[in-house]
Amino acid sequence: DTEVTQTPKHLVMGMTNKKSLKCEQHMGHRAMYWYKQKAKKPPELMFVYSYEKLSINESVPSRFSPECPNSSLLNLHLHALQPEDSALYLCASSQGYGSTDTQYFGPGTRLTVL
Amino acid sequence: AQSVTQPDIHITVSEGASLELRCNYSYGATPYLFWYVQSPGQGLQLLLKYFSGDTLVQGIKGFEAEFKRSQSSFNLRKPSVHWSDAAEYFCAVALPGSSNTGKLIFGQGTTLQVKP
Repeated sequence: DTEVTQTPKHLVMGMTNKKSLKCEQHMGHRAMYWYKQKAKKPPELMFVYSYEKLSINESVPSRFSPECPNSSLLNLHLHALQPEDSALYLCASSQGYGSTDTQYFGPGTRLTVL
Repeated sequence: AQSVTQPDIHITVSEGASLELRCNYSYGATPYLFWYVQSPGQGLQLLLKYFSGDTLVQGIKGFEAEFKRSQSSFNLRKPSVHWSDAAEYFCAVALPGSSNTGKLIFGQGTTLQVKP
């Protein structure tokens, strides 16, 4: 099973709201990733967790707050977002954290910020 | 500058025709190479990957890719396209070395349209 699940599929929120995105995998992978993808653009890496510790933060604004409660779960907490944060947010996971570890992607959460 | 380039932003082919999507990279060392496909509103699915060895790589859904070191290219091919192949295709690289782990660098993508 190479499935990464993400909830919700769609999310609409106001600029003052607090919401969370959830990602789950049961493949025993030890690295998990958050990407942001704007329309007609490639995914942009936001965060990487390796063995439940934050390994990479690509200078993401603090209104995005990642959390890795355990090796299967990855959350992205959202607060005080801007309309330009509207995008498809993709989660991925990989067996390890090396360059040859294939990343498997979830279907994404389509976020709209009003 | 280091980069991954997909020269074709949009390609249209007829169903049953052959397909080639181009990918070029510019890095000091040969990177690890991937092709992903993304259907509208969906996540990315890995088609194939190349790390070393045989330069012709077979993937899922009838796709193959050929690594050419002399041309710094990793082009994706399919002999006969199906309407369901219409999607966005991304070439991606991962750089060897411990300081680069966890990072996939994507090309800008090629949109494939399939005519009936």
